[in-house]
Parts: sequence; C-alpha cells; structure tokens
Amino acid sequence: AQKITQTQPGMFVQEKEAVTLDCTYDTSDPSYGLFWYKQPSSGEMIFLIYQGSYDQQNATEGRYSLNFQKARKSANLVISASQLGDSAMYFCAMSSISSNTGKLIFGQGTTLQVKP
Amino acid sequence: DAGVIQSPRHEVTEMGQEVTLRCKPISGHNSLFWYRQTMMRGLELLIYFNNNVPIDDSGMPEDRFSAKMPNASFSTLKIQPSEPRDSAVYFCASSPRTEPNEQFFGPGTRLTVL
Repeated sequence: AQKITQTQPGMFVQEKEAVTLDCTYDTSDPSYGLFWYKQPSSGEMIFLIYQGSYDQQNATEGRYSLNFQKARKSANLVISASQLGDSAMYFCAMSSISSNTGKLIFGQGTTLQVKP
Repeated sequence: DAGVIQSPRHEVTEMGQEVTLRCKPISGHNSLFWYRQTMMRGLELLIYFNNNVPIDDSGMPEDRFSAKMPNASFSTLKIQPSEPRDSAVYFCASSPRTEPNEQFFGPGTRLTVL
C-alpha cells in the first residue's frame, strides 16, 4: 500500500528566506510519481511540481524545487525567496506509474505562514 | 481554456435531503476523480473514472453516496439522504492520463448539511 507522511503540521518562514517542507513516502511500486500541490485560503488546489521516480535530476519550477532522495524515500519541497503569497497549505502526493491508474494518495498537509 | 468546472460552489441543505454535485472535466482529459476534504480526514479519494467507467469506488463512504459519468464531459456525485457528517468540501479533478498524470482540480463545492 502507498502512504505519504508530512510530519510538519505548521511552519513559519520569514519573507525572502528559503523553507523546506518535508514529505516521506512508502510504496512497493517500482515506478511512481511525486507531486506537490498548494492550497491557499481561497480553497483551490494548485499543482506546483512533479518528480518521477526514474528522474535523475531533481525537479525545479521557478522558486520551487523538489529535493528527491530515493533511498530515503523523501521528496521535500524547497521554496526559495519566500513571498507573502506563499502562505498556504501544501500537500505532497504520490501516484503509481506502474499501475497507471492516475490515482493520487495525499499527505495530511503542512500549513506554511510567511512572516513580513 | 476553461479548467474543471464544479457546481454549485456552495450548498446548504437539511439532513435527509438529496444533494447532487456536478463536475465538468477539462476537455480531452479521460480520467476524473472525486475527493472529499475535511479537517479531520484531510483529502480522501472517493471514486475515480477512466474513460467514463468507474474504476475504484472503495473510497465511497457508504451506499448513500453514488457517482455517475454518463459522458466524457459530465459527472455527478449524489448523496441521498444527506447527513451532517457529510459536510465537507468536495473536489472534482481531471487528468489527461499521460505523464506526469497531473490532476487539475476544480474550485470545489462546500457542502453544509444542517
């Protein structure tokens, strides 16, 4: 069975600093994908970044990067140069590529607050 | 391009009433997912469809919940009869089923059952 664990219920970061949101996962699938979504207070779910388990390089999208450590089964999200608009809930999620269902398993989320 | 469309955005109903939530996926996407989000349980997958066919409904809480996808551009989630514990935000998401299989979420329906 697949499982995503986000151990930080809440995080604070000073504006313009970098912050790392933790995510560990458990799966027996040989091929899988890892996702991060952002949910601001308005409620919508916004896709941020994706990492395939077979990717050699860590994924980056603008100020977002994914610190993928396969042996440790971790997929931490790094946000550089935090902005006030980054204050939101962040969800880590996983899908099985080998089963090709497209189904996502989500973690419990981390609430990030950016301080001015 | 329009994203995933959900209606209504907010629904307030009384216990025992039937509730129908609607979703229009992104055109060309052939997977559709229904999620429920609560403070206690987080984001839970209720059911998903591939090419309009229900694939996994193991997340549907009980027989009061049912979902249909009569065609590629429309899906409904029905709760009959509704109960106060069904109060939650219900999200619909669609995916193109190609790598990376990113899911695009609708704005959600906030359901309150009194």
